Amino acid sequence: ETGVTQTPRHLVMGMTNKKSLKCEQHLGHNAMYWYKQSAKKPLELMFVYNFKEQTENNSVPSRFSPECPNSSHLFLHLHTLQPEDSALYLCASSQGAGLGAYEQYFGPGTRLTVT
Amino acid sequence: EDKVVQSPLSLVVHEGDTVTLNCSYEVTNFRSLLWYKQEKKAPTFLFMLTSSGIEKKSGRLSSILDKKELSSILNITATQTGDSAIYLCALSSTSNTGKLIFGQGTTLQVKP
Repeated sequence: ETGVTQTPRHLVMGMTNKKSLKCEQHLGHNAMYWYKQSAKKPLELMFVYNFKEQTENNSVPSRFSPECPNSSHLFLHLHTLQPEDSALYLCASSQGAGLGAYEQYFGPGTRLTVT
Repeated sequence: EDKVVQSPLSLVVHEGDTVTLNCSYEVTNFRSLLWYKQEKKAPTFLFMLTSSGIEKKSGRLSSILDKKELSSILNITATQTGDSAIYLCALSSTSNTGKLIFGQGTTLQVKP
């Protein structure tokens, strides 16, 4: 256990559905991240939040909408997804996201299948 | 564009063997290089390297950074079946967003 939890662990949704992924970190960190991991491709950063403020949006389509109500919780709201969005979505946290060098700790991921 | 390349992409060894995994990078402003192990789901943190030539060690795993060669290696000695995993190398630059750029990973299979 890394101190980062994600729910649900598995999700199957249709292209017209709306669902949300949840991430919670119990490490007292200030920065949280969403990554996408597709088969045979490197981990891709989607969003970065530092002290609840979004500091990076890596050209992610608007059908993915992040929300960070506080430093411990991060959501990814999903709507009108496409089958190519099927992937493992990983949440991570780190002490900070500023000028220091901080390792990131990952949650177990949500395996998303879009039908 | 910042880039991380790992080699080999996959590797099959037998228990007891020693393996060396490679990570090469191109980055504008280097801050740190990180190694992760990914078994089923969550990548787990192994090492963070910021200074060249200083070896980080944890049990049978060790890693070293060579800033001149823009590369890092991860060594695993006396491999065990439990070392079977994907090993990920990631790069952090001095931009202030905490962004990590990952390589495609090396899949290691250790056979009994």
